[in-house]
Amino acid sequence: EAQVTQNPRYLITVTGKKLTVTCSQNMNHEYMSWYRQDPGLGLRQIYYSMNVEVTDKGDVPEGYKVSRKEKRNFPLILESPSPNQTSLYFCASSLSAGTSYEQYFGPGTRLTVT
Amino acid sequence: KNQVEQSPQSLIILEGKNCTLQCNYTVSPFSNLRWYKQDTGRGPVSLTIMTFSENTKSNGRYTATLDADTKQSSLHITASQLSDSASYICVVSMNTGFQKLVFGTGTRLLVSP
Repeated sequence: EAQVTQNPRYLITVTGKKLTVTCSQNMNHEYMSWYRQDPGLGLRQIYYSMNVEVTDKGDVPEGYKVSRKEKRNFPLILESPSPNQTSLYFCASSLSAGTSYEQYFGPGTRLTVT
Repeated sequence: KNQVEQSPQSLIILEGKNCTLQCNYTVSPFSNLRWYKQDTGRGPVSLTIMTFSENTKSNGRYTATLDADTKQSSLHITASQLSDSASYICVVSMNTGFQKLVFGTGTRLLVSP
């Protein structure tokens, strides 16, 4: 089944403890992206990647890192999480970075930082 | 400022009834407009994608319209079902050469038995 998977789905952690949220897609998509969703706000892009080893900042990149060593994986790294990073995170992928291509979203990771 | 505004914020309708959700945008340059359905605790799922030249696009009981002149879109749901209870998000893709999406905050729809 074609899908985007994220792990973990739920995570509670403490301020400053490094964590990684994994994202994997099995559709051979070139474009991958991370978003966060907060109450009352639309999804906001954190980072995106047009292909392997090509990543760039989105609208809210502060406090996050990403890497794209393989086409299928696009992990999101929080080196020193803070409470304001408590949010619902979505990974998405698209066949290409072109504007007409559909984005497929993962199931989400709910992160709580205390 | 590039913005997508949706109305109403929330809506309750009886099962079997129709409803229409609204989306206004001020995004430029425009590439296409998308409607997504997001079930509680799940990721958004695409319903329709419309380009500048498309006025209407249907996906089963979902029909989206686009007026590029007034920068308005609507999503009409026909003969609603309990499974239609979800948030519906209007998204505009910018014509920047690569995907840059501007998301609305969504309309939360509850279909009541």
